[in-house]
Amino acid sequence: KAGVTQTPRYLIKTRGQQVTLSCSPISGHRSVSWYQQTPGQGLQFLFEYFSETQRNKGNFPGRFSGRQFSNSRSEMNVSTLELGDSALYLCASSLSEGLIGTGELFFGEGSRLTVL
Amino acid sequence: EDQVTQSPEALRLQEGESSSLNCSYTVSGLRGLFWYRQDPGKGPEFLFTLYSAGEEKEKERLKATLTKKESFLHITAPKPEDSATYLCAVQHNTGTASKLTFGTGTRLQVTL
Repeated sequence: KAGVTQTPRYLIKTRGQQVTLSCSPISGHRSVSWYQQTPGQGLQFLFEYFSETQRNKGNFPGRFSGRQFSNSRSEMNVSTLELGDSALYLCASSLSEGLIGTGELFFGEGSRLTVL
Repeated sequence: EDQVTQSPEALRLQEGESSSLNCSYTVSGLRGLFWYRQDPGKGPEFLFTLYSAGEEKEKERLKATLTKKESFLHITAPKPEDSATYLCAVQHNTGTASKLTFGTGTRLQVTL
């Protein structure tokens, strides 16, 4: 069974640009959540989607947004990139109804974003 | 403020030398506590979920326990392949929503 797939794996952008990251969950999983991981802050929750609806949102500015499609695939977008946005962005899928329910998360290998 | 703190930040053990990792939390409305293992360049891999104080879960050389304020991940007779960063995360209620807060992890190195 294929795992969570994230693309691209690595990307370099400059300040002010925008970026879109993609996540394909495990087949059958309808919940997708996104996380930012940095050496200083660790893993921080960005947002979570279930059945194309955002269920939960972390404490990130509005420059960070996401969406989920009818096939459960998800994208996140960061606009007006800042140097501090450099991080590993991780996507996770779950069988449960996301954070409202309970259940183990299956993570992808992440998209490493470098902002110059 | 909701907080999840892991200690120690880093731990170096010799093969066979048992130890424990700690995850303490101050959150309201705890719904569950998760342990994950993360290898360099990879996403976290799920290990355990604990829901209530007194609960224990075991998997190979790992055993997770939960009290009202903290969780321990006990590693018995570790092997070099147990080297990784171990993360704990707490799922808790925030008003009408639910939130997942991660600790910053414990980097474990097991040497021969």
